[in-house]
Amino acid sequence: QSALTQPRSVSGSPGQSVTISCTGTSSDVGGYNYVSWYQQHPGKAPKLMIYDVSKRPSGVPDRFSGSKSGNTASLTISGLQAEDEADYYCCSYAGSYVVFGGGTKLTVL
Amino acid sequence: QVQLQESGPGLVKPSQTLSLTCTVSGGSISSGGYYWSWIRQHPGKGLEWIGYIYYSGSTYYNPSLKSRVTISVDTSKNQFSLKLSSVTAADTAVYYCARGRGYPGRWYYFDYWGQGTLVTVSS
Repeated sequence: QSALTQPRSVSGSPGQSVTISCTGTSSDVGGYNYVSWYQQHPGKAPKLMIYDVSKRPSGVPDRFSGSKSGNTASLTISGLQAEDEADYYCCSYAGSYVVFGGGTKLTVL
Repeated sequence: QVQLQESGPGLVKPSQTLSLTCTVSGGSISSGGYYWSWIRQHPGKGLEWIGYIYYSGSTYYNPSLKSRVTISVDTSKNQFSLKLSSVTAADTAVYYCARGRGYPGRWYYFDYWGQGTLVTVSS
């Protein structure tokens, strides 16, 4: 099983929107609507931002949204804010196990 | 509010067994509905799922680590534990415990995490 593929880095200015992609296979991302996304600030534990492809846990701003098409899932952050600068990881169910993406560093310019 | 806290040695010698415990507070492991998980992060790298356990003792492991991993649960202490045998420097990482959620047979997301504990494998 291989890690899901994410861009190493993305960037955007405050107020703009950015999208982070997460590419897998038909055995994970493409095979199930079970994708989650995590935000991790330096030295902190990851925080759940999205589950079931597009659902937000209570307390997560609606600036964060998720989607999926085929073997690729996406996290979109609109109205970028300075505090959104962090690492983001996707995660997918893969049939009796779980696989994470390699992570994307978001820089807010 | 559920809280998880990892504990265990921060330094393990090569070829020995890494042992960590996660203590859960604010909720009972025995209440069911969740899979209790271990996830690690190599320094400066991404997340790697190690495995998870249900309160009944049912386990699932990452196929790449399965031969060396044992996860167990002690419901009387509201704790679950990780043992990773025959460690090498490649097992140096921050180890997180987390609460896994999802659907029967499809547990896959993690809503509460411990703060993480760094385990270094070195002689």
